Amino acid sequence: GENVEQHPSTLSVQEGDSAVIKCTYSDSASNYFPWYKQELGKGPQLIIDIRSNVGEKKDQRIAVTLNKTAKHFSLHITETQPEDSAVYFCAASRDTGRRALTFGSGTRLQVQP
Amino acid sequence: EAQVTQNPRYLITVTGKKLTVTCSQNMNHEYMSWYRQDPGLGLRQIYYSMNVEVTDKGDVPEGYKVSRKEKRNFPLILESPSPNQTSLYFCASSSPGGSYEQYFGPGTRLTVT
Repeated sequence: GENVEQHPSTLSVQEGDSAVIKCTYSDSASNYFPWYKQELGKGPQLIIDIRSNVGEKKDQRIAVTLNKTAKHFSLHITETQPEDSAVYFCAASRDTGRRALTFGSGTRLQVQP
Repeated sequence: EAQVTQNPRYLITVTGKKLTVTCSQNMNHEYMSWYRQDPGLGLRQIYYSMNVEVTDKGDVPEGYKVSRKEKRNFPLILESPSPNQTSLYFCASSSPGGSYEQYFGPGTRLTVT
């Protein structure tokens, strides 16, 4: 089955700096890669996703890149703000009815004001 | 407001005492799923349902049951809970079609003593 590894497990940046979180996956058939943000006491919330036919996607301060050959994808957050502090999860999935998301272990991002 | 609700949010119980965690969504989604979240492991899928009366096992189904008698509800049943089922549980739902975004509930923290 799919295995997703995520690094780093914790990340502390100064407000205004950029943050990068990296994930690798094992199943070459995976073709959907979402990123979720989980705030304290809440369920994960989708912030951006990318499909395997796209190399990069951007939404305001958030971007995701995908390298299918190397089987890794990354989340980039620019101009970080204190409200970006949360746990971020990457995930991978095949485009099947099961829609099972295999999650990484999470990255706790702390943005220091 | 479109949402996934779970009840209870917190539960402390004893080994062997049957319990049910309810999940309900108001978005008319056909797909629903249960995940458990454990430190350092991310979220792992327990069971999923692609429609009413259609359920199937995820990655960690042992010790759990589900049912899907109505489109909006997807309860998780622990017939004989054990301490290794102490975890944070999330229900999620998703609509069919192109978007694979899964909407997560707020979570249920279960402790089995």
